[in-house]
Amino acid sequence: GAGVSQSPSNKVTEKGKDVELRCDPISGHTALYWYRQSLGQGLEFLIYFQGNSAPDKSGLPSDRFSAERTGGSVSTLTIQRTQQEDSAVYLCASSLVGTSGRTDTQYFGPGTRLTVL
Amino acid sequence: GQQVMQIPQYQHVQEGEDFTTYCNSSTTLSNIQWYKQRPGGHPVFLIQLVKSGEVKKQKRLTFQFGEAKKNSSLHITATQTTDVGTYFCADQTGANNLFFGTGTRLTVIP
Repeated sequence: GAGVSQSPSNKVTEKGKDVELRCDPISGHTALYWYRQSLGQGLEFLIYFQGNSAPDKSGLPSDRFSAERTGGSVSTLTIQRTQQEDSAVYLCASSLVGTSGRTDTQYFGPGTRLTVL
Repeated sequence: GQQVMQIPQYQHVQEGEDFTTYCNSSTTLSNIQWYKQRPGGHPVFLIQLVKSGEVKKQKRLTFQFGEAKKNSSLHITATQTTDVGTYFCADQTGANNLFFGTGTRLTVIP
């Protein structure tokens, strides 16, 4: 079946502009995550959605960052008034929730490479 | 919050040599997941370790979870050029999100 998809694959924007990044998780996966990966760095957790529960926003770096997940499926990560330090690859992942209530393997999308000029 | 330290940050090996990366935490881990990210690619799940002292093998890869569940290792025997990439451990303790280590970037010299 289809994996996690993300769009666009690349986004170049000017400083100060808003951007929207989209993630389509694997069908049936109730958990969805957003991560950020700067060049040569590890993965930085941003936000986590699980079913209808309130999202865990503890990783969002500033109030310029927000995310929504409509209908428990597609998610959009919005960055307002982009700054050069926002340049990174933004990765989305989805997973099932195991019977113990813990998440299963995370399946990653190909990412969106954001460049802020 | 959880802090997962991964060493070394970089490793260059000759093809055929062995390679090991270590993941350490100051707190007891619930479970550890390992991911591989090829250059230019996205992380791909390799394995999950849950039990104290657990050892799992995948062909030339051996994964180990420490007895105290505070560390984990990934060992690759006789590296090949296809092993090139960054290997991440991820800690899932408490909440449902994963905390990724900084990764070890492996370069294999033919």
